[in-house]
Amino acid sequence: DQQVKQNSPSLSVQEGRISILNCDYTNSMFDYFLWYKKYPAEGPTFLISISSIKDKNEDGRFTVFLNKSAKHLSLHIVPSQPGDSAVYFCAASSNTGNQFYFGTGTSLTVIP
Amino acid sequence: DAGVTQSPTHLIKTRGQQVTLRCSPKSGHDTVSWYQQALGQGPQFIFQYYEEEERQRGNFPDRFSGHQFPNYSSELNVNALLLGDSALYLCASSLGVRTEGSTFGSGTRLTVV
Repeated sequence: DQQVKQNSPSLSVQEGRISILNCDYTNSMFDYFLWYKKYPAEGPTFLISISSIKDKNEDGRFTVFLNKSAKHLSLHIVPSQPGDSAVYFCAASSNTGNQFYFGTGTSLTVIP
Repeated sequence: DAGVTQSPTHLIKTRGQQVTLRCSPKSGHDTVSWYQQALGQGPQFIFQYYEEEERQRGNFPDRFSGHQFPNYSSELNVNALLLGDSALYLCASSLGVRTEGSTFGSGTRLTVV
């Protein structure tokens, strides 16, 4: 059973525009969420996180929004740059657990 | 400051063989978790090692086993390899068993033929 879902396998955005990547989860015990970015032949690289006590966390061009009632989070990238082209994974964990549950990833292509 | 180091980077094995993958955690980290990432999928948790013991295990058969050494490095062993074991195996290290602050290695690409 997939507890973390990324329903869009791919997304294309023009350079300079906003990229919005979405993630849904089913387990209400999840209280910590992360976005990872992965380039080919590399391991996932931590991008940004958010805990369930917040509904927004911002780091430069990257902002993550959490809607606990909808069990939904999103990653906004503004402005998008060609170097942002990668696969983005959403991951979640609970305060009683010590493992990540990953989504299947969204491949973002930023078109120059 | 070295991050997580995994070896080898690529490996080809024959069905039925056994394989050992290695992971050196980031400096200062004491916990190692292993994940399997099949093609087109997100990483799936295999198990976690802390204080040289397996602390938590995902839904993987006993053919998957591991070990953690006193220097915190870890090995993942897979016996009786199946074609379906072909995947990218990722190691993540952290300080303590919680997931915050985890750092991932680049992975070992295992191909079973």
